[in-house]
Formats: sequence, C-alpha cells, structure tokens
Amino acid sequence: EDKVVQSPLSLVVHEGDTVTLNCSYEVTNFRSLLWYKQEKKAPTFLFMLTSSGIEKKSGRLSSILDKKELFSILNITATQTGDSAVYLCAATIYSGGGADGLTFGKGTHLIIQP
Amino acid sequence: ETGVTQTPRHLVMGMTNKKSLKCEQHLGHNAMYWYKQSAKKPLELMFVYNFKEQTENNSVPSRFSPECPNSSHLFLHLHTLQPEDSALYLCASSQDRGGKGFGYTFGSGTRLTVV
Repeated sequence: EDKVVQSPLSLVVHEGDTVTLNCSYEVTNFRSLLWYKQEKKAPTFLFMLTSSGIEKKSGRLSSILDKKELFSILNITATQTGDSAVYLCAATIYSGGGADGLTFGKGTHLIIQP
Repeated sequence: ETGVTQTPRHLVMGMTNKKSLKCEQHLGHNAMYWYKQSAKKPLELMFVYNFKEQTENNSVPSRFSPECPNSSHLFLHLHTLQPEDSALYLCASSQDRGGKGFGYTFGSGTRLTVV
C-alpha cells in the first residue's frame, strides 16, 4: 500500500525562526512529490519535485528530493505569521493515463508565533 | 478563486436526505478528482475521472455516487449518509503536461455535516 509520512505533525516556532518539514514516501511507480500549503480550505501548490538533489526555491521557501532515501524536506527561512498553515506532502505515480490521484501525508500544522 | 469552483461551500444534511455537490473547472484540464478530508486523517482520494470517464474508484461506499457529464463538470451525489461522512470534500483538476510539469489545482471545498 502506498504511504506518505510527514513529520512533525505539529510545530510551533517564533517569527524569524527557520523550520524544516519532513516527508518520507513509499509508493509504487513513483513519479513526483508535491508540496501544498493549506490555510483554510483549498490547498495551494508550492513545489513539484521529480529529480533528486535539485533544490527548488520560491522566496523564503525551498525544497529538495532524495529519491534514494525516499524523502523530501521543505525549508522555510525567516518565518512570518502568514506562514502559519498546514503543509501537505503528496506523491504521484505513473499511471500512464494522464490522470493521477495523489497519495497525501497527514500534514504538518505549523504555527508561527509573533 | 483557484479556477476550480465548488458549490455549496457548506452543507448540512440529515441521514435520509439526498443532496449533490458540484465542481466546475475553468482551466481546460482533462482530469477531475474528488477527495475527502476528515479531521486528523490524510486527504483521501475517492474518485478519478479522465476525459469524463471514471478511471478510479477508491473503494468508496455506494452512498457516494459521482457523475462527470463533461471534462469541466463533476458532481458528487449523496444519499443516506452517516455522521462519519461529515468532512471537507475537495474537488481537484489536473492536466498532464508531460515534461513541463503536472498541473494540479484544488477547489475550496464543501464542508459537509451529516446530522
């Protein structure tokens, strides 16, 4: 059974801190790993990772994938209160049909205190 | 709005009611999905449609009945639900862009409460 495990499940830090969120996966026919941010309802896309060792960056956020060890990390530097959210990790597989359901982890609930 | 619109935003229904959730995407995507998000559980894939054909039913009880009349619209028909079916139901759409990436967009969801 395909599985995605995120850690920690919750994290409370102060504004300005740097955080690292973890995601490990065990899926058959792995294709890519996606990170989402969910504040209220709709998860919003952050990164898609398909290749090992290539860091993707967007402002204060960055992410990297290790396909040998089957994990990914999401880093957020100089955190702000607006970064408070649930961060979701999901794996996609090759299904050949162009329509791939995602396997999600439980998410990391990040709270940034002023 | 993300390009994927879900209605209603909130729904309260009794166990004997019949209701429907609606999802519409304006992104030209070919695939649409239903997910269920319950408290303290991962987002669970329910159904997958590709070019309006169902390609996956993730062992969902028959009291949930999907309908996809075209690639832009997806419905979830609900009947004789149980209180444990209360959850956030998210619709998503995607387009396989091959080497240029995999666009996957979620709607804002319908918060369903079964009483």
